[in-house]
Amino acid sequence: GENVEQHPSTLSVQEGDSAVIKCTYSDSASNYFPWYKQELGKRPQLIIDIRSNVGEKKDQRIAVTLNKTAKHFSLHITETQPEDSAVYFCAAPVYGNKLVFGAGTILRVKS
Amino acid sequence: EPEVTQTPSHQVTQMGQEVILRCVPISNHLYFYWYRQILGQKVEFLVSFYNNEISEKSEIFDDQFSVERPDGSNFTLKIRSTKLEDSAMYFCASSSDRGPTGELFFGEGSRLTVL
Repeated sequence: GENVEQHPSTLSVQEGDSAVIKCTYSDSASNYFPWYKQELGKRPQLIIDIRSNVGEKKDQRIAVTLNKTAKHFSLHITETQPEDSAVYFCAAPVYGNKLVFGAGTILRVKS
Repeated sequence: EPEVTQTPSHQVTQMGQEVILRCVPISNHLYFYWYRQILGQKVEFLVSFYNNEISEKSEIFDDQFSVERPDGSNFTLKIRSTKLEDSAMYFCASSSDRGPTGELFFGEGSRLTVL
């Protein structure tokens, strides 16, 4: 199928803790894996992406890891802050010219 | 910083009416997309457009939907006869030469309410 599965659907963490969101994809030809953050009532915005030629990428408190063999990739947020609270979507290109999004994870960072 | 712009921000229409949502992609981008998001749900792919033609469309994008790039700057989504279930936020997006394997820049969205 054309699924991009994302877990968990909701995640609550204490400020300062880490958060991990996982996605799996079905198209073995997929070679680009972005993560988007969507704040309430706003547009999705890219926060980090990874291509299939690397296994991990970091940008300050955010990192993404990719396991092509298992066809899954994960978003890691360290030292979470209240402003990290949002909906996070993973995505992958499926069978050509469409970027398919996961179902989203609502992240709540409690202060 | 260049951005994708969309109009209207909110449209309310009666069931069965035609609706046109407009988008101005980033000027040097080559790939254009429409996505929709029903309230509280995921961002769903509708259609991708490249080189003045549809390159991919989803099952949602049936005969009631059409896209057009009439003048080299605007990119429009038309819904011919709206249904209640068309109520959603519609996002336009564009990307550069990498297409779907590069960053998609989303507009602010057009909220469509069908009564």
